[in-house]
Amino acid sequence: AQKITQTQPGMFVQEKEAVTLDCTYDTSDPSYGLFWYKQPSSGEMIFLIYQGSYDQQNATEGRYSLNFQKARKSANLVISASQLGDSAMYFCAMREGLEANNLFFGTGTRLTVIP
Amino acid sequence: DSGVTQTPKHLITATGQRVTLRCSPRSGDLSVYWYQQSLDQGLQFLIQYYNGEERAKGNILERFSAQQFPDLHSELNLSSLELGDSALYFCASSGDSGGGETQYFGPGTRLLVL
Repeated sequence: AQKITQTQPGMFVQEKEAVTLDCTYDTSDPSYGLFWYKQPSSGEMIFLIYQGSYDQQNATEGRYSLNFQKARKSANLVISASQLGDSAMYFCAMREGLEANNLFFGTGTRLTVIP
Repeated sequence: DSGVTQTPKHLITATGQRVTLRCSPRSGDLSVYWYQQSLDQGLQFLIQYYNGEERAKGNILERFSAQQFPDLHSELNLSSLELGDSALYFCASSGDSGGGETQYFGPGTRLLVL
């Protein structure tokens, strides 16, 4: 089974609107971390936000927030007040366990912001 | 800017050749991770070094090898290159040996094997 599933290959959002990018994960380890990265057309991977499995509150970083629903094993990224510069690929990733070293990535969602 | 640097940005080479990709981690980070991003495999973890020692191995081919030097920069060596090795290779760094801090990615090296 895939450890990270992103079911939306592409999404469109109107400028200044909010958008939710879906991510579900699969792990039996009680300790894990969830990450979102942004990859613009230039190619670099930009860290956006992190949620630990034991965090009580949803993570927020500026216009980014993570809707963490542990029972449903989902970690959706919410981008508020979308900007043209938000157009990019977005990847959800998971690190499993306390001693884990690597990230498992989803297949990504391409977000296009429409003016 | 993540603080992680990678050289070169682009590399074009022929099948059967050998190349070396270089990565300098963020100041103070001891761990370096290598990832491969290809169209068919997506983003895959290759290998991690922590303070000069190999720490974890992922889907790294035997034709590939890496090392981390005393100044903490790392090199990924790809040999006997095949067309399928064409990909974007990322280096990432973190301050710990694993399980703790966020990994910050470099800009990547885009490898094209002809």
